[in-house]
Amino acid sequence: TQLLEQSPQFLSIQEGENLTVYCNSSSVFSSLQWYRQEPGEGPVLLVTVVTGGEVKKLKRLTFQFGDARKDSSLHITAAQPGDTGLYLCAGPTPNTGNQFYFGTGTSLTVIP
Amino acid sequence: DAGVIQSPRHEVTEMGQEVTLRCKPISGHDYLFWYRQTMMRGLELLIYFNNNVPIDDSGMPEDRFSAKMPNASFSTLKIQPSEPRDSAVYFCASRGQGVGEQYFGPGTRLTVT
Repeated sequence: TQLLEQSPQFLSIQEGENLTVYCNSSSVFSSLQWYRQEPGEGPVLLVTVVTGGEVKKLKRLTFQFGDARKDSSLHITAAQPGDTGLYLCAGPTPNTGNQFYFGTGTSLTVIP
Repeated sequence: DAGVIQSPRHEVTEMGQEVTLRCKPISGHDYLFWYRQTMMRGLELLIYFNNNVPIDDSGMPEDRFSAKMPNASFSTLKIQPSEPRDSAVYFCASRGQGVGEQYFGPGTRLTVT
């Protein structure tokens, strides 16, 4: 059973289009992180959201943490080929928070 | 800093052989994590260390897997004997104190035939 479910699993779009990917859970998280993983590399942290309802922007990427801190979304405006990769959300374990559960991932391909 | 270093980057071995994966974390980081990534199961935590001490190894699939961290700058993940179902990409990550960013290495792609 996956604690963090991401959708869609795969997404292929044309350059310039907008898209949103989702990270959902039945559990409450104190924070959520979003990572991007490019082929042949390890995941790299994009952002951490910590407050319910929080919105963070990173250039063309907008991250939102749900009010109940059970879900999060990532919106990309005017996607570019450089956005291609696997997007992973991750949340800390409830006890110590020392380790993270990772979501199932969304594989994004942006076609030039 | 060179980041997290893993070796080898690729490993191809036959079933039954011993495999040792190596990791050098970022200097000064207190936490070290070993993950396995497959298409079917995604990114799974195998074990993590705090100050060289194993804290949680509940993700280690079975006794064939073992991990050590003899000092703050080196860790190994060993599989003995290896099986085809162990084929995956294995990542090492390190982190400083607090709930912050994990820095991942480039991974080791393991293929067991």
